[in-house]
Amino acid sequence: NAGVMQNPRHLVRRRGQEARLRCSPMKGHSHVYWYRQLPEEGLKFMVYLQKENIIDESGMPKERFSAEFPKEGPSILRIQQVVRGDSAAYFCASSRGGGNYNEQFFGPGTRLTVL
Amino acid sequence: SQQGEEDPQALSIQEGENATMNCSYKTSINNLQWYRQNSGRGLVHLILIRSNEREKHSGRLRVTLDTSKKSSSLLITASRAADTASYFCATDVRAGGTSYGKLTFGQGTILTVHP
Repeated sequence: NAGVMQNPRHLVRRRGQEARLRCSPMKGHSHVYWYRQLPEEGLKFMVYLQKENIIDESGMPKERFSAEFPKEGPSILRIQQVVRGDSAAYFCASSRGGGNYNEQFFGPGTRLTVL
Repeated sequence: SQQGEEDPQALSIQEGENATMNCSYKTSINNLQWYRQNSGRGLVHLILIRSNEREKHSGRLRVTLDTSKKSSSLLITASRAADTASYFCATDVRAGGTSYGKLTFGQGTILTVHP
């Protein structure tokens, strides 16, 4: 049973370009969470999605950032017009359910570098 | 201070010694999870302890939870050089009796185990 998969593992973009980060949850998991980790810091929640629905996007910047989890295919975190401050590791996690006591399993992360 | 703060920030010990890391939080929780992160890598789930549990074991790991003090500890016994990593606690904050698993992470404890 493959774990949470993220690609690409490393992404380099120039300022103003778009970044698209993909996350495939574990088999049987329908809940996806995106977190961002700045250097030397803990993870910060960005957005929580179920298939075709955004449940909570309270941690996501209002501009330039968007996320989706379509019926088919991976979840996508999209960052438009990237700036240097977007450089971070972006982690996706999935869980079987969204209620209490559900363990979240994390992917290896995508390290975004904005030049 | 923020939800899920670890203490100490860094811990350096010799192989064979025990390592204890503490985590404090502010609001009521449904569960608390401990994760491990090797440098530049993703997070590995270690243990989930529910709010109605006081202690949990997994191999050389022992986690305690004191909801009256809003604190948790992670004990690693007989440490090995391979235990060198950052350790994070993450809380699943209770809201209206339920939650959907949004995790709030602390800053982490950097553990270094010298051979």
